[in-house]
Amino acid sequence: DVKVTQSSRYLVKRTGEKVFLECVQDMDHENMFWYRQDPGLGLRLIYFSYDVKMKEKGDIPEGYSVSREKKERFSLILESASTNQTSMYLCASSFLGQAISYEQYFGPGTRLTVT
Amino acid sequence: AQTVTQSQPEMSVQEAETVTLSCTYDTSESDYYLFWYKQPPSRQMILVIRQEAYKQQNATENRFSVNFQKAAKSFSLKISDSQLGDAAMYFCAYHLIQGAQKLVFGQGTRLTINP
Repeated sequence: DVKVTQSSRYLVKRTGEKVFLECVQDMDHENMFWYRQDPGLGLRLIYFSYDVKMKEKGDIPEGYSVSREKKERFSLILESASTNQTSMYLCASSFLGQAISYEQYFGPGTRLTVT
Repeated sequence: AQTVTQSQPEMSVQEAETVTLSCTYDTSESDYYLFWYKQPPSRQMILVIRQEAYKQQNATENRFSVNFQKAAKSFSLKISDSQLGDAAMYFCAYHLIQGAQKLVFGQGTRLTINP
């Protein structure tokens, strides 16, 4: 079974703190993604990466950065957390290209609260 | 802009009955995949069913089937013989074959199963 794990299920941080969300996948997937999930808005793509040290902005990259130093690990960084970044964050991974029809495999999510 | 619209924020159905979740999308591309993902409460998002846009035959996976109308850009999900375990958020999404390599999600529909 494909496994995508995220470092925390729940996280509470203060405004202005630097926050790291970690994601690890064990299926040798080339692609990794970070989404944010908010009620009524669905999932919105923050950043994605198709290779080590490569990254692409998604639809809402402002206030976030990412790091991919190893193929299996993709980190989301909030340089200075703000209350409007309170949300559920989902990591996903997939094979590159059409190999298996672009299916993405998701982690359990991290519910981040910024106070 | 490429969008996915799920017009039903919430749906409910009696156990063992049939329910249909609606999804429309907007893209000028002709080649893409369509997906329905399920997110059970406090559990990971998983793929329910996928459809290749070039295939006219509607995809089926056990009790789950889709009604794909390409000209109308409509992709509804039918769940037959609803079970308590079907209770979840359901997200419709598409992925282009050419162009932006990402899933575009709808807002989600929360499905409740009444015993």
